[in-house]
Amino acid sequence: DQQVKQNSPSLSVQEGRISILNCDYTNSMFDYFLWYKKYPAEGPTFLISISSIKDKNEDGRFTVFLNKSAKHLSLHIVPSQPGDSAVYFCAASGYYNQGGKLIFGQGTELSVKP
Amino acid sequence: KAGVTQTPRYLIKTRGQQVTLSCSPISGHRSVSWYQQTPGQGLQFLFEYFSETQRNKGNFPGRFSGRQFSNSRSEMNVSTLELGDSALYLCASSFRRGGDGYTFGSGTRLTVV
Repeated sequence: DQQVKQNSPSLSVQEGRISILNCDYTNSMFDYFLWYKKYPAEGPTFLISISSIKDKNEDGRFTVFLNKSAKHLSLHIVPSQPGDSAVYFCAASGYYNQGGKLIFGQGTELSVKP
Repeated sequence: KAGVTQTPRYLIKTRGQQVTLSCSPISGHRSVSWYQQTPGQGLQFLFEYFSETQRNKGNFPGRFSGRQFSNSRSEMNVSTLELGDSALYLCASSFRRGGDGYTFGSGTRLTVV
């Protein structure tokens, strides 16, 4: 039972344009959501997070949107840069109930072309 | 400051053997979580330790075990290795449980032949 899903395995975007990565979840007990970026042969790096009490969180070029009724979140990268090319994972946790247990999606490989 | 250190980086083992992987968290971090990454299953949670106690466990067979020492360093052990255990094993540490404070190591690439 996959509780966190990223249905697009890959995404290709032109430099300077917007990248939108999507993530769906099924467990309504999740109350904290995170996005990680991963390069080959490295561990994931934390990018941005959002609590279930919010519907938007911004950090520079990165914005995460949360739609609780649809159990959907998205990561917007504006403008996209070639250095953003990596695999992006969304993750969810029951912040207070499940501590250090993160449930990850399958990942979306983003390619930003110059 | 030093990041999360996982040793060894690469390992080749034979089916049926056992293996121990090590994770040294960032100084001061007390929570350590382990994940398995495979092409087919993605990143899957194995277990979490905090103050030397296992706090959470994922859906893995009993062949997978772990422990945490008083200095927060953690080890995971896999006994009776199977070909399907070939994966990248990642460790993450944080000062407290939960939230976005987890920093991942670069992982140990285990190949079972």
